[in-house]
Amino acid sequence: EAGVVQSPRYKIIEKKQPVAFWCNPISGHNTLYWYLQNLGQGPELLIRYENEEAVDDSQLPKDRFSAERLKGVDSTLKIQPAELGDSAVYLCASSLPGEDTQYFGPGTRLTVL
Amino acid sequence: GENVEQHPSTLSVQEGDSAVIKCTYSDSASNYFPWYKQELGKGPQLIIDIRSNVGEKKDQRIAVTLNKTAKHFSLHITETQPEDSAVYFCAASNTGNQFYFGTGTSLTVIP
Repeated sequence: EAGVVQSPRYKIIEKKQPVAFWCNPISGHNTLYWYLQNLGQGPELLIRYENEEAVDDSQLPKDRFSAERLKGVDSTLKIQPAELGDSAVYLCASSLPGEDTQYFGPGTRLTVL
Repeated sequence: GENVEQHPSTLSVQEGDSAVIKCTYSDSASNYFPWYKQELGKGPQLIIDIRSNVGEKKDQRIAVTLNKTAKHFSLHITETQPEDSAVYFCAASNTGNQFYFGTGTSLTVIP
């Protein structure tokens, strides 16, 4: 069974530029999470989807971050414009309906210059 | 909200020795406590978890204990091997709605 797929794995951009990350969860996992992981820290939730509905986006900085999961499968996280402080690893995770166990993707390492 | 504290931040042990990582949480409603292992350049991988109705769980060389009264839980790795070297994260959740992660422990197993 394929795991959570994320792309790109690495991205380097200049500040003020837009950037997008893509995530394809494990088949059948209707819950999808986007996390931010700063260096030396644990993951912090940005947004959680149940199917195509964002059920928890309270930690998403909505002035510059947006996310979508139009068909309830894969998802895109966007930053526009990017700031220096956005440099971090962006992790995607998914879980089965009603299950606690989350499965993480490899993450996208973003560097903003 | 929940606050999860994790100690120590770094841990070095000799191969074959045991390693213990401890976490505390603040929200008594938390009922699910997973542990993740993260290797360099990879996402966190679940290694063991425990629910609030259980005090201890073991899987080969890995065990987790939970003390609900004191609001702390610990990861125990016995007979450590070099491949156990990684960053370990604890987390606490209330029925999976929101996961709060500790700050991680960098474990080094010295051959």
